Amino acid sequence: AAGVIQSPRHLIKEKRETATLKCYPIPRHDTVYWYQQGPGQDPQFLISFYEKMQSDKGSIPDRFSAQQFSDYHSELNMSSLELGDSALYFCASSSSSVPDTQYFGPGTRLTVL
Amino acid sequence: KQEVTQIPAALSVPEGENLVLNCSFTDSAIYNLQWFRQDPGKGLTSLLLIQSSQREQTSGRLNASLDKSSGRSTLYIAASQPGDSATYLCAVMDSNYQLIWGAGTKLIIKP
Repeated sequence: AAGVIQSPRHLIKEKRETATLKCYPIPRHDTVYWYQQGPGQDPQFLISFYEKMQSDKGSIPDRFSAQQFSDYHSELNMSSLELGDSALYFCASSSSSVPDTQYFGPGTRLTVL
Repeated sequence: KQEVTQIPAALSVPEGENLVLNCSFTDSAIYNLQWFRQDPGKGLTSLLLIQSSQREQTSGRLNASLDKSSGRSTLYIAASQPGDSATYLCAVMDSNYQLIWGAGTKLIIKP
């Protein structure tokens, strides 16, 4: 069965650069969630989208923005990268008909040098 | 505000032993509780999901229980193996369909 796809899987950037992470949800899933997991930390919810609209917002820095496109894939844009942005970024998707189950992607490891 | 706590933070046991990982949460208004496994630097693998109406779920050597009224869940691992070494994360889904995570238990199984 198709799973959540995230790209790239690994990304290395310099401080103050910009990064874009992509998430492709499971087919027919209309909701996407983004999580950030710092080294040794538990995942922290960043933001979610339902039907291309932002549905909820967590601890997402102002330097980050995200959107969901018409094909339901989502992109997390991160600007003015800081060392502390180095983390695993997970995307999860769900269907609004079964909102209580999120399916996680493999994550993107971002390293900021 | 929902808070999830996992105890212990780390656990080291000899191979073959049965063990229990604990997860507690402060607000019983949850949709479900999920246990994940995470290998170092890797993604999240969902192990067991217990709906709020359920008491337990089993998969192979794993058994997870849920006592919503007391805000507790346990993950029981039978006959532990070195390959079970990983960090185990507990997450509850709150009334807004948001996942609230515990800090995890780092498990080491010694051969």
